[in-house]
Amino acid sequence: KQEVTQIPAALSVPEGENLVLNCSFTDSAIYNLQWFRQDPGKGLTSLLLIQSSQREQTSGRLNASLDKSSGRSTLYIAASQPGDSATYLCAVRRSSYDKVIFGPGTSLSVIP
Amino acid sequence: GAVVSQHPSWVICKSGTSVKIECRSLDFQATTMFWYRQFPKQSLMLMATSNEGSKATYEQGVEKDKFLINHASLTLSTLTVTSAHPEDSSFYICSAERAAGNTIYFGEGSWLTVV
Repeated sequence: KQEVTQIPAALSVPEGENLVLNCSFTDSAIYNLQWFRQDPGKGLTSLLLIQSSQREQTSGRLNASLDKSSGRSTLYIAASQPGDSATYLCAVRRSSYDKVIFGPGTSLSVIP
Repeated sequence: GAVVSQHPSWVICKSGTSVKIECRSLDFQATTMFWYRQFPKQSLMLMATSNEGSKATYEQGVEKDKFLINHASLTLSTLTVTSAHPEDSSFYICSAERAAGNTIYFGEGSWLTVV
């Protein structure tokens, strides 16, 4: 059974700092991995999608890496801003028709 | 980009009544939609997978007679909470994907409060 964990559960950093969020999954046989952002009381916004054959994806200040063999993914946020404050969730999928398994999320606070 | 819309965003209903939440994909056809619920400070819990034109697949522990899901068209899925009780109060979120295995897009969510 696939299990997804995220470390740390919460993180508080001063504005401008670079930071890394971690995601681990127990079953390396995944189809893809997706990072989401959720603001309080809101739905989820897709940030980056990494297919199993890919090693990383980049979008603006965000970079996500994937190491399937070790069951890990990281989300790197450069030059953090207060507007980055949110909960970040990673989610994995075993196949294109399988359900998505979410991690518990990392709550990020960027202090001005 | 793709947009998924949910309605209503907030709803308060009396115990024993039924509430319907709509999920629409606005600029793409979604053969599959997913329904989640989320309790405060917890991650999303998948309730069911909704496929257009067929019966929804419910996760273990989710009562299909209580949470009725209809996916009548490629752009609309509905979740009806029947005979709602206070413990059904939660944040319900839908998601849709343009094609199998593709990026998943989420709606803004619907807050349900049962009084």
